[in-house]
Parts: sequence; structure tokens; C-alpha cells
Amino acid sequence: DQQVKQNSPSLSVQEGRISILNCDYTNSMFDYFLWYKKYPAEGPTFLISISSIKDKNEDGRFTVFLNKSAKHLSLHIVPSQPGDSAVYFCAATTNDYKLSFGAGTTVTVRA
Amino acid sequence: DAGVIQSPRHEVTEMGQEVTLRCKPISGHNSLFWYRQTMMRGLELLIYFNNNVPIDDSGMPEDRFSAKMPNASFSTLKIQPSEPRDSAVYFCASSPPGTTKNYGYTFGSGTRLTVV
Repeated sequence: DQQVKQNSPSLSVQEGRISILNCDYTNSMFDYFLWYKKYPAEGPTFLISISSIKDKNEDGRFTVFLNKSAKHLSLHIVPSQPGDSAVYFCAATTNDYKLSFGAGTTVTVRA
Repeated sequence: DAGVIQSPRHEVTEMGQEVTLRCKPISGHNSLFWYRQTMMRGLELLIYFNNNVPIDDSGMPEDRFSAKMPNASFSTLKIQPSEPRDSAVYFCASSPPGTTKNYGYTFGSGTRLTVV
């Protein structure tokens, strides 16, 4: 039962433009949401998180937006850089240990 | 800080053989996790240890899988006997107490297991 869904398996964007990654969830008990980035042959690395009591969190070029009523969150990367080419995972938790992950979105930043 | 260290990086074994995956968490991290990544199921939590004690093993697929954490600096995930459907990338991760919600956890580079 996939409680966290990333319906776009891939995204291609030109360098300097905005990348928008989307994530939907079904469990209304999730209270924290996280984004991870993964390069080939490496483990996922934490990128940014947001509490369910907020609707936006920003860290440098990365901003996460949360729409609780729609059970939807998105990650914006502005501007996109070649080093941003990776797989991005959305994750969510109802406690402080178990993360439920989406299937991932592969981002390719074109020069 | 060397990060979470997993060994081996790759493992190819024959069906029926025992496989042992190893993990050294980051020093000071008292939470340790084993995840498995497959095409079909994505990243799924297998087991969670807190202070070397297994807290949640509900994700362990079946009795063929077992995990131990004999001390704060070492954990193993064992599969006996292994089957082709166990082929996946197995990740170990660790975190300090009470930080998962805000900072997630630190993953190792994974062990790619192939059972033929």
C-alpha cells in the first residue's frame, strides 16, 4: 500500500530554469515530510523537510510547499544546476523513525 | 566523519546460500535502520533499532531474514537461505535520537545483492 506517491518518474529541465517535483500522500496522520536526493551507487541524502503545521520551507535553492487539504507537496529547485541531476524521493512519517518513501523522480538538468 | 559504512558493496550468491550484510553506523547515532530498495516496492523499512534493541521489525519479509545489533557500532542483516527474489539494494541508515522528523537519517551507500 503506497501511502506516498510520486507520479512522475522523470523530469527534464534546462539549466537555470525551475524544477518542480510533485508528491501526493494518502495518510492524513503524516506530520512531517522530507525530500531526499540520490546519486547512482550512493545512498539517499537528506535535502529538506517540512512540518505539517507549515505550508512552506525554504533552504537556499530548495523550497518545499505543503498543501494539506490536497494531501500534496512539491519541491522547487531554482535555479536548476547540472549537479541537481539525481533521483529525488519524497518521504513522510507519523512518528520519529519510520519513513514511507515514494518511488522517486529522476531529474535531468540539461546544459 | 566517515558516514555510515556498509559492506560488502556488491554480493552475488547462489540460491540457498547464507548472506550476511554489515553496517557500521555513525558514532553517537543511537538509531539504526535497515531498508531495502526494489523496483516493485521502492524503499521499504525492514527493521529499526534504538540503543541496540530492535524496536520495529514488522518490515522483515519472513523468517529467512534476521538482524542483530550486538553493540552500538555494528549491525548485521542475514538472509538464510537466500532466494532470487531477495535481489535488491539493501541500505543501512543511522540517526541521533529524536531527529528523524526534521533531518531524516544518514544512509550508507548500500549493498547490491544478487541471488542467482
